[in-house]
Amino acid sequence: QKEVEQDPGPLSVPEGAIVSLNCTYSNSAFQYFMWYRQYSRKGPELLMYTYSSGNKEDGRFTAQVDKSSKYISLFIRDSQPSDSATYLCAMSADNYGQNFVFGPGTRLSVLP
Amino acid sequence: ETGVTQTPRHLVMGMTNKKSLKCEQHLGHNAMYWYKQSAKKPLELMFVYSLEERVENNSVPSRFSPECPNSSHLFLHLHTLQPEDSALYLCASSPQGGGTDTQYFGPGTRLTVL
Repeated sequence: QKEVEQDPGPLSVPEGAIVSLNCTYSNSAFQYFMWYRQYSRKGPELLMYTYSSGNKEDGRFTAQVDKSSKYISLFIRDSQPSDSATYLCAMSADNYGQNFVFGPGTRLSVLP
Repeated sequence: ETGVTQTPRHLVMGMTNKKSLKCEQHLGHNAMYWYKQSAKKPLELMFVYSLEERVENNSVPSRFSPECPNSSHLFLHLHTLQPEDSALYLCASSPQGGGTDTQYFGPGTRLTVL
């Protein structure tokens, strides 16, 4: 079993739709969770960071962590064509950047 | 220039060539990272430097050799690579190297090994 799994997509949605992106993981020690967005021909950029379980909201983006199910989600409300990108989840058990484990990414296309 | 820059953006090399990738960060950060990103595979951490000292080497083949002469510059020296080494090589930096640090990524170098 891979340590972090993510549906690779591609996922295509119409503009204005609510998007749900998900990752599952196997290591119950993970407690730092991140979502990165990567546009074509660019490096990843951090979108959301959460610690332990719960929800975090930032504008149109909501990150949700369910540690009991080993499942994290990123919701995008009122999706825009500019949200078209690959979304990577990443997680870590401790406070050290070198121990991040990344998912393979989900490619999202928001169609106008 | 601001943020994290990488040169070259694209590189094609033969298996017998020697080349180097360069990364420069203008953010005053103390930690720098090299990642490999292959199609449909997770980002793989290759090397971490904190305050110019190598902290982590995730069993990367010796044909990849990092160098960090100061906290703003990071190099990846390449020699006798294999076609399966073709990938996007990403550099990142973060303030201290901790998990709560935000890592800032460069645009990457797209490497093709013939």
